[in-house]
Amino acid sequence: KAGVTQTPRYLIKTRGQQVTLSCSPISGHRSVSWYQQTPGQGLQFLFEYFSETQRNKGNFPGRFSGRQFSNSRSEMNVSTLELGDSALYLCASSLGRLNTDTQYFGPGTRLTVL
Amino acid sequence: AQSVTQLDSHVSVSEGTPVLLRCNYSSSYSPSLFWYVQHPNKGLQLLLKYTSAATLVKGINGFEAEFKKSETSFHLTKPSAHMSDAAEYFCVVSLLSNFGNEKLTFGTGTRLTIIP
Repeated sequence: KAGVTQTPRYLIKTRGQQVTLSCSPISGHRSVSWYQQTPGQGLQFLFEYFSETQRNKGNFPGRFSGRQFSNSRSEMNVSTLELGDSALYLCASSLGRLNTDTQYFGPGTRLTVL
Repeated sequence: AQSVTQLDSHVSVSEGTPVLLRCNYSSSYSPSLFWYVQHPNKGLQLLLKYTSAATLVKGINGFEAEFKKSETSFHLTKPSAHMSDAAEYFCVVSLLSNFGNEKLTFGTGTRLTIIP
């Protein structure tokens, strides 16, 4: 069974631009969660989508948004990029909700904001 | 305040000796607890999880962790370290978010170095 895939793997943007990251979960998984990893702040939870609905949200500004499609694939969008948004963005999928089922992580998308 | 604390940012052990990575949590109710490992340039992998069943949890690659409610701890151990264990380890707790829903909160990580 294929693992969680994230595209693109690397991305370079400039301040003020917007970016869309994509995550394809393991086949059959209905929950997709997004995380931001930075050297300074560590790993932080962004949000969880389950059955096309946002179920949980971390403490991030409204510039960070996401959605989930009927095939469980998810996208995360960051608008008006700031230098501090440079990070590794990880996506994880699970069969059920993130607190009840094992999460499987993708390799991440490394975003650099110049 | 609800939180998770990994007590050591860096641990070094010799190959073949025991490993102890410490994690304490603060929560107003019994949380779910996880340990994840991240090897360089790779994604996170679940080592083990505790969800209110047995307090001693066995995971992959010989790791195990014991949930101690009285000490609010969930330390990760392995009897004998292997070179391939060198990685970053994250203790993760399922805690209530500001929206009243549960979310995962990651510790700051412990970098494990194995000395040949």
